This record gives sequence, structure tokens and C-alpha cells, in this order.
Amino acid sequence: DAGVIQSPRHEVTEMGQEVTLRCKPISGHDYLFWYRQTMMRGLELLIYFNNNVPIDDSGMPEDRFSAKMPNASFSTLKIQPSEPRDSAVYFCASSLERGDIQYFGAGTRLSVL
Amino acid sequence: DAKTTQPPSMDCAEGRAANLPCNHSTISGNEYVYWYRQIHSQGPQYIIHGLKNNETNEMASLIITEDRKSSTLILPHATLRDTAVYYCIKTNSGYALNFGKGTSLLVTP
Repeated sequence: DAGVIQSPRHEVTEMGQEVTLRCKPISGHDYLFWYRQTMMRGLELLIYFNNNVPIDDSGMPEDRFSAKMPNASFSTLKIQPSEPRDSAVYFCASSLERGDIQYFGAGTRLSVL
Repeated sequence: DAKTTQPPSMDCAEGRAANLPCNHSTISGNEYVYWYRQIHSQGPQYIIHGLKNNETNEMASLIITEDRKSSTLILPHATLRDTAVYYCIKTNSGYALNFGKGTSLLVTP
């Protein structure tokens, strides 16, 4: 398996624009996680899905953020409208079962100007 | 839910053992200790985990004290590629990983 695949690797956008980050989990994994990493706050869990259903979105910072998982092999994290403080590295991870090892993608580095 | 405590940074000579400590004095009976690392510009990578027994795999060894209040990750023969930030995490569910600030390990030639 190719592992967790995220796209794009880098995204530069202007304040107010919509940003969509994409993730393909490892095939067969039932859990998918979205994290954000900043210098100030470190790695934070934003939301996680089980069998394509959002289970806990308490980490989503505000209504400008939304995440979907339309099928077992694809998830998106959308920011609309984007703000400079959203600049961070966003990671997607997947695991086979709850409590199992999480496998991370290479991340998307987002810069909002 | 208090996080774990790790030294912010450590150095290790290449070829020597790297011993990374972690304090988790508030750990409860059903919480595991997980170790991940993050090499610069990459996503976190799982290393090893344990409940109360010492564990070893191809990457590292995990030594957990008898009272489970602390543990040590051992990289037996550190290489330059082991330079990374190492995170010690305690969790009872596995999904909610509080990464904290970790230990920045620098392996020097």
C-alpha cells in the first residue's frame, strides 16, 4: 500500500479564498483523522471519522472549517473563507481500528496570505 | 487529562544508544504509552507502544517502570536519520493522541 496520500503538498492562497485539502486513507482502514500543526499549538486533532461518519469534531476551530468523507477512500477538509491564522501544516491519518496505530500522510503546508 | 512530560531536547552521538525519558505520573490503569516521532517536514511515524511490560521491535525498545509512572524509549544504535522530535503519549482509547511538545533529538556524527 502507498500509505496515506494527501494533496496538495503545498497550498498558497489569499485571505478570503476557499481551500480544500484532500486525503486518501490506507485501504481497509476504518478510522480517518485530520490534524493541524502550528509552532504555537503543536499537533492538534481537528476531527475524526469512523466508517465515513464524523464521530468527534470538537477540535474544529470554527464554522469556517468543514470536513467530509463521502466514501471509504476519500476525505476533504475545507476552509471557507480562509484567514492568515489558518496557515499551518494539515495532516491526515488513518487506522485500522479504534485504538490502533495511526499512519500519517506527508501533510499539506497551507499558507494564507 | 495531564499530558506527559519530556525534556525539550537531547543530543546523542551516532552509533550510541539514545535513551529518551518520559514522565507520565498520572497514567491510569487502562492507558497505554505510545511513542511517535516526526522527522523534519514529514508526518508523525509510530515507533512502539506498551501497557506495563517492556516491549521491543525492530525500531526501538520501551522500558516502563513497575509503577508505570515513567518510561524510556531506547534507540540502541542511533543514526543521523534518527534526528527527529519524539513524542511520548498516554492514551486509553488510542484515537485521541495528545502530542505535546516532545523531545527534539539531535544525533551528531
